[in-house]
Amino acid sequence: DAGVIQSPRHEVTEMGQEVTLRCKPISGHNSLFWYRQTMMRGLELLIYFNNNVPIDDSGMPEDRFSAKMPNASFSTLKIQPSEPRDSAVYFCASSSHRGTEAFFGQGTRLTVV
Amino acid sequence: RKEVEQDPGPFNVPEGATVAFNCTYSNSASQSFFWYRQDCRKEPKLLMSVYSSGNEDGRFTAQLNRASQYISLLIRDSKLSDSATYLCVGTSSGGSYIPTFGRGTSLIVHP
Repeated sequence: DAGVIQSPRHEVTEMGQEVTLRCKPISGHNSLFWYRQTMMRGLELLIYFNNNVPIDDSGMPEDRFSAKMPNASFSTLKIQPSEPRDSAVYFCASSSHRGTEAFFGQGTRLTVV
Repeated sequence: RKEVEQDPGPFNVPEGATVAFNCTYSNSASQSFFWYRQDCRKEPKLLMSVYSSGNEDGRFTAQLNRASQYISLLIRDSKLSDSATYLCVGTSSGGSYIPTFGRGTSLIVHP
C-alpha cells in the first residue's frame, strides 16, 4: 500500500495567489482529514470528510479556505487568496472507520511570501 | 482551552533513562486514544493505541485513566533513536470520532 499521498511536497507562492493542495487517501479508507500544523498552534483540524461528505468544517479558518472530495480517492484543499499567515505544513490523513488510527501523508510545506 | 493538553517539554534525558509523559483531555465522551510519534519535518506516525486496561509494546507502556481524564506514556531504557515529539490523541465526541491532537511533548535522549 502506497499510504496517503500528498502533492506538492513544497509550495512557495506569493501573497494573493491561489494554492491547491492535493491528497489521495489510502484505498478503502472512508474518513479523510485535513490538518494544519504550526509551531504556535500545533496540529489543528481543518475539515473532516466521511464517505466523501464534509462532516465537520468548523476548523476552516475563513472563506478563503475551501475543500472538496469529489470521489473516494481524491481530495483538494484550496486557499484563495493566500496570505503569509497561511504558511504552515498541511497534512492529509485517512482512517478506515471511526475511532481507528489515522494515517498521515508526508505533508505539504506551504510558504506564502 | 485545547481539548488535549500536554507538557511541551523538552524532556532531556540520558540514554537508558526511564521517562514518562502525561496528557489530559477535557472531553469526557472521548472514546479512543493513541500516542503518535513525530520526527522533525516528518508526518506523525502511530506509536501505539491506548487501552483502558493499559498496554505495553516492548519498552513502551501506555495507560488510560478515564476517571481523571489523563493518558500516560512510559518509555523505559531510552535510546537515542527515541528522540522525537510525542503526540497524544483523543477522539472527539458527537459521533464523528475526529482525532484531536495535543501539541506534543519533545523528547531529547543524549549519550
